[in-house]
Amino acid sequence: DTAVSQTPKYLVTQMGNDKSIKCEQNLGHDTMYWYKQDSKKFLKIMFSYNNKELIINETVPNRFSPKSPDKAHLNLHINSLELGDSAVYFCASSHPDREYGYTFGSGTRLTVV
Amino acid sequence: GIQVEQSPPDLILQEGANSTLRCNFSDSVNNLQWFHQNPWGQLINLFYIPSGTKQNGRLSATTVATERYSLLYISSSQTTDSGVYFCAGAYGGATNKLIFGTGTLLAVQP
Repeated sequence: DTAVSQTPKYLVTQMGNDKSIKCEQNLGHDTMYWYKQDSKKFLKIMFSYNNKELIINETVPNRFSPKSPDKAHLNLHINSLELGDSAVYFCASSHPDREYGYTFGSGTRLTVV
Repeated sequence: GIQVEQSPPDLILQEGANSTLRCNFSDSVNNLQWFHQNPWGQLINLFYIPSGTKQNGRLSATTVATERYSLLYISSSQTTDSGVYFCAGAYGGATNKLIFGTGTLLAVQP
């Protein structure tokens, strides 16, 4: 069973479109995250939710809106896509006991053309 | 801002060789972790290592928190060890906000 699953794995879309990426974890973790990995492999946190509540909101354009309907799901909606949004987006979750570390999904490669 | 620097940036090894990767932090960190991103892009958690030493098979990690660095040792490297290795840590009370390092790109040749 996949612990943190993201869909879709690949997303190619035109500038100006609106798209969503879904994430689900079956680990029973309380905290979920969205990270962005750019073309130079740099990973940067975007958002974090704990039990459906937003706890981290980095300097991200408000075209990006996360939604957590329950603690097992954290979706990312992006409005008016721009070329610079092209990147790999990773969902992750973590256990309250930090000994277990973070578990990442397999990533969604977004290409805006 | 907080800096997390990793060295070396790139490393090429012959299969069977040993290596040490280093992570330096500009400030005290908590929640320190090491990750491996394989050639298919999957990020795998290797160690949660805020201090001390841990070992898992051919991999081990040591963090000296007072000196703000962590080391990842890979012994008897295999081609499947190839990929990018990241360290990451959190600062102050923002324990859930992991800041990632710049990564070390490792290529193990047969």
